[in-house]
Amino acid sequence: QLVLTQSPSASASLGASVKLTCTLSSGHSSYAIAWHQQQPEKGPRYLMKLNSDGSHSKGDGIPDRFSGSSSGAERYLTISSLQSEDEADYYCQTWGTGSHVVFGGGTKLTVL
Amino acid sequence: QVQLQESGPGLVKPSETLSLTCTVSGGSISSYYWSWIRQPAGKGLEWIGRIYTSGSTNYNPSLKSRVTMSVDTSKNQFSLKLSSVTAADTAVYYCAREGLRYPVFQHWGQGTLVTVSS
Repeated sequence: QLVLTQSPSASASLGASVKLTCTLSSGHSSYAIAWHQQQPEKGPRYLMKLNSDGSHSKGDGIPDRFSGSSSGAERYLTISSLQSEDEADYYCQTWGTGSHVVFGGGTKLTVL
Repeated sequence: QVQLQESGPGLVKPSETLSLTCTVSGGSISSYYWSWIRQPAGKGLEWIGRIYTSGSTNYNPSLKSRVTMSVDTSKNQFSLKLSSVTAADTAVYYCAREGLRYPVFQHWGQGTLVTVSS
């Protein structure tokens, strides 16, 4: 079964970097994912599509501070030079048989 | 820049049918896949299903028996109907446009809250 696992929470200091992880279930390590950001009381915003080889394509207007990388079944979102507006929930998303979509449970990022 | 706007009743009675419409502006609805996603308060995102502009659909198996989607290309709109609703269907409902090549949600609406209550 295709499942995405995310840590419920993460925190980092203003100006620092943070790396969020999304883990694909066994047997699905070659899958691409997408990262989405949801700021408080707002709808989600597409950040990037991230492939298994670490290549990624970002959405329009997404700052260079946001980058993606991959290792095995893990997909990472790194945010550098953290700003207060980066405090948000981050969701990973993928798709399986029949293009059925699966979301991870989300990671709540706190900027200290 | 494409924009999506959800609309519909904010309150639906239990056992009735929830109906929402998504209006697309800034671009044509044609030749894309369009999805509905929902989010209960304080919880994560759940994909409901998608429709192509030809009318072909693809639903989340967990909701398939209650979901119907349709598209009106003349109005640049697509719609969701969810039947036999219960309190568990209370959520913010989002519409979204998928990428041309992959089912990633590149454009999202702002969402609309639907409460199921008598």
